[in-house]
Amino acid sequence: AQKVTQAQTEISVVEKEDVTLDCVYETRDTTYYLFWYKQPPSGELVFLIRRNSFDEQNEISGRYSWNFQKSTSSFNFTITASQVVDSAVYFCALSESPSGGYQKVTFGTGTKLQVIP
Amino acid sequence: DAGVIQSPRHEVTEMGQEVTLRCKPISGHNSLFWYRQTMMRGLELLIYFNNNVPIDDSGMPEDRFSAKMPNASFSTLKIQPSEPRDSAVYFCASRLRDTEAFFGQGTRLTVV
Repeated sequence: AQKVTQAQTEISVVEKEDVTLDCVYETRDTTYYLFWYKQPPSGELVFLIRRNSFDEQNEISGRYSWNFQKSTSSFNFTITASQVVDSAVYFCALSESPSGGYQKVTFGTGTKLQVIP
Repeated sequence: DAGVIQSPRHEVTEMGQEVTLRCKPISGHNSLFWYRQTMMRGLELLIYFNNNVPIDDSGMPEDRFSAKMPNASFSTLKIQPSEPRDSAVYFCASRLRDTEAFFGQGTRLTVV
């Protein structure tokens, strides 16, 4: 069964600090997808990134970067020079991709990030 | 595309009443998901459909909950009878295989 663990429930940082949100996953499949979503105070769920299990290259998008390590089953998310607008709940998610099988998306419990001005 | 559309955005109902939540997925997407979000339990997967067929409803909390997808462009989640503990935000999401899920704005349900 697939599982996602986000051990950090809440994190507070001061503006301009860097912050890393941890995500550890469990799966028996060799092919799977990992995602990060952001849920700002307004409540909508916003897609940030998708990664497939065959691509371990780290990715950077502006102040956001993601570190995918299959050896430790982790897909961590770093925000550099955090801003108040980054305050939100961040969810990590996993979707297995069995050949010809069905793909449900399982979410972690989320990490609430508060950036203090 | 307008994205995933959910209605209503807010629903307040009395305990014991039937509640129906609606979802229109993104055209062309073949999977649809219903999630419930509460402070206590986070984001829970209730049920998901693939090509309009319910695949896994193990997350549906009780027989009071039912979901249907009569065609590729419409799904409902019904609670009958509703109870105060059903109060939550209900999200619908859709996706294509091997891609990310796109979420609707959610329906905030309050059962009094």
